[in-house]
Amino acid sequence: GQQVMQIPQYQHVQEGEDFTTYCNSSTTLSNIQWYKQRPGGHPVFLIQLVKSGEVKKQKRLTFQFGEAKKNSSLHITATQTTDVGTYFCAGTEGYSTLTFGKGTMLLVSP
Amino acid sequence: NAGVTQTPKFQVLKTGQSMTLQCAQDMNHEYMSWYRQDPGMGLRLIHYSVGAGITDQGEVPNGYNVSRSTTEDFPLRLLSAAPSQTSVYFCASSYSQGRTDTQYFGPGTRLTVL
Repeated sequence: GQQVMQIPQYQHVQEGEDFTTYCNSSTTLSNIQWYKQRPGGHPVFLIQLVKSGEVKKQKRLTFQFGEAKKNSSLHITATQTTDVGTYFCAGTEGYSTLTFGKGTMLLVSP
Repeated sequence: NAGVTQTPKFQVLKTGQSMTLQCAQDMNHEYMSWYRQDPGMGLRLIHYSVGAGITDQGEVPNGYNVSRSTTEDFPLRLLSAAPSQTSVYFCASSYSQGRTDTQYFGPGTRLTVL
């Protein structure tokens, strides 16, 4: 079945450092979504990318969808303690259901 | 709007017991789904529904049943609880397709099976 790999599993940064998480699929994706889950909370939708090579920004967060639509990345510039949580990507291949990656847990030290 | 609500928030069961996890949404969403979240495993789809009266299996359906008699409600039934079903369960809903729409998650039910 469809698999979405996410790396790294865990990253610990100092506040102010940048952070990037990567999402990779062995198959071409129709779309990719990103979610954030705060500790003890539930996943919350951040953004969806649909087009090849698409780049979207939300304040300090930059999302990219690869040209081949097989990979995506989320980059946070100058992390803050409020960025702590687990970031999930989720992709769809054709008419399949949404498949989530295992997530990247981000810890930010002040 | 309350969004997606789940009850109970916490539950402890003994092996072999049955129970129903409740999920409701007040956004008139057609698509609803159940996920389980285990450490290091991400979110895995258990069952989903594209509308009232229609359900289908996800990645890990064994040991779980669902039904969708109304648009609003999508209960998840554990037939005979096993320790392997200890997990956090999230219900989610979306406007239509599910795979291309924003998923709205409920607060989760933390289940322990002894």
